[in-house]
Amino acid sequence: AQSVSQHNHHVILSEAASLELGCNYSYGGTVNLFWYVQYPGQHLQLLLKYFSGDPLVKGIKGFEAEFIKSKFSFNLRKPSVQWSDTAEYFCAVSNTGFQKLVFGTGTRLLVSP
Amino acid sequence: EAGVAQSPRYKIIEKRQSVAFWCNPISGHATLYWYQQILGQGPKLLIQFQNNGVVDDSQLPKDRFSAERLKGVDSTLKIQPAKLEDSAVYLCASSLSWFWSTNEKLFFGSGTQLSVL
Repeated sequence: AQSVSQHNHHVILSEAASLELGCNYSYGGTVNLFWYVQYPGQHLQLLLKYFSGDPLVKGIKGFEAEFIKSKFSFNLRKPSVQWSDTAEYFCAVSNTGFQKLVFGTGTRLLVSP
Repeated sequence: EAGVAQSPRYKIIEKRQSVAFWCNPISGHATLYWYQQILGQGPKLLIQFQNNGVVDDSQLPKDRFSAERLKGVDSTLKIQPAKLEDSAVYLCASSLSWFWSTNEKLFFGSGTQLSVL
């Protein structure tokens, strides 16, 4: 069965600091990879996704993620965080083609002004 | 664009009672999902509908949970009887189709927070 591990449960950063959130998945086949964000009081929103092609994908709000197949990883990065990035971030994986998402446990990011 | 609508926003019940949640997906979306998100965990898929048919309900505790999407639009998720461990946020999501394409994505509702006392 697929599983997703997010190593950091809570991250606290100051504004302008760089961000990297880890995500590893276990699945032997071809996968689609996603990062979702949930801002306080809001619904889950898609940040970015990887289906195929360039392993470095860019998403909304300056976020990017790199798919490293050999490491089964899909880490999320942002060079300079803002207070408004305070949210919970979820990594998710699905089999190629089918929309059954398996989510990680999430990382709560707090950005202090 | 109207989003995925869910109600109620909050529900508090006692164990062994029954409860129902309602979801109205984005207009035209054929695929509808119910996820359960327990505090401290990521969302877990309970059931997936394609129009009014069930595509995947392998993680739905069928002894107490049921879901339907009779006309292929709105959906209800029911728990009867509820247990303490059912306390969670129940999320509804929808998409145009059940198969990924480059432009396809899931749209999530705000969820129903259930507390079972």
